Amino acid sequence: NAGVTQTPKFQVLKTGQSMTLQCAQDMNHNSMYWYRQDPGMGLRLIYYSASEGTTDKGEVPNGYNVSRLNKREFSLRLESAAPSQTSVYFCASSEPLAGSPLEYFGPGTRLTVL
Amino acid sequence: QKEVEQNSGPLSVPEGAIASLNCTYSDRGSQSFFWYRQYSGKSPELIMFIYSNGDKEDGRFTAQLNKASQYVSLLIRDSQPSDSATYLCAVTRGNQGGKLIFGQGTELSVKP
Repeated sequence: NAGVTQTPKFQVLKTGQSMTLQCAQDMNHNSMYWYRQDPGMGLRLIYYSASEGTTDKGEVPNGYNVSRLNKREFSLRLESAAPSQTSVYFCASSEPLAGSPLEYFGPGTRLTVL
Repeated sequence: QKEVEQNSGPLSVPEGAIASLNCTYSDRGSQSFFWYRQYSGKSPELIMFIYSNGDKEDGRFTAQLNKASQYVSLLIRDSQPSDSATYLCAVTRGNQGGKLIFGQGTELSVKP
């Protein structure tokens, strides 16, 4: 039982390049989330998926797209990376019960955009 | 005003002391409140959650919630050097599950 896995762990991009961050969970959770964390700040929600086939915007969706490929996988795509997207990206999963704790985070992807 | 605000750190306490971490939030509709611990370079780890006014205790940790004052706190008794980390307060938008609003975090340092 690996929990939530993310790839890659580290990535350096040049401005304008594109990339996809991968996330997978093996806990059969319906809901998955992408957060970003900048220095001195808490996490901010980028996108979430309440269930397979559905996605919705969070607080800071601009510059990102997501795909809920199946129940296990939720990917985050940067179409044209910008230095403002330099951050640590965390994927998370949970059951969508009201108030259910968000307990399972992946190890993070540390992205630098030059 | 930030939606979730934590007291600025770093907070330094001696080993064995009580560490008190505070958090205020602006959305009166928030239903669920969480404390996460995050070690440097690691992902957040859920340590406490509370839904009702009052205190909730789990081992050395006590979460306190006062919805009227829109205030939630975390007490760590008998602080240990291993408690040194950044503590993140998070609240839900209304009752929307994993869609959390996080505070900026308070760095705690426990000195031996």
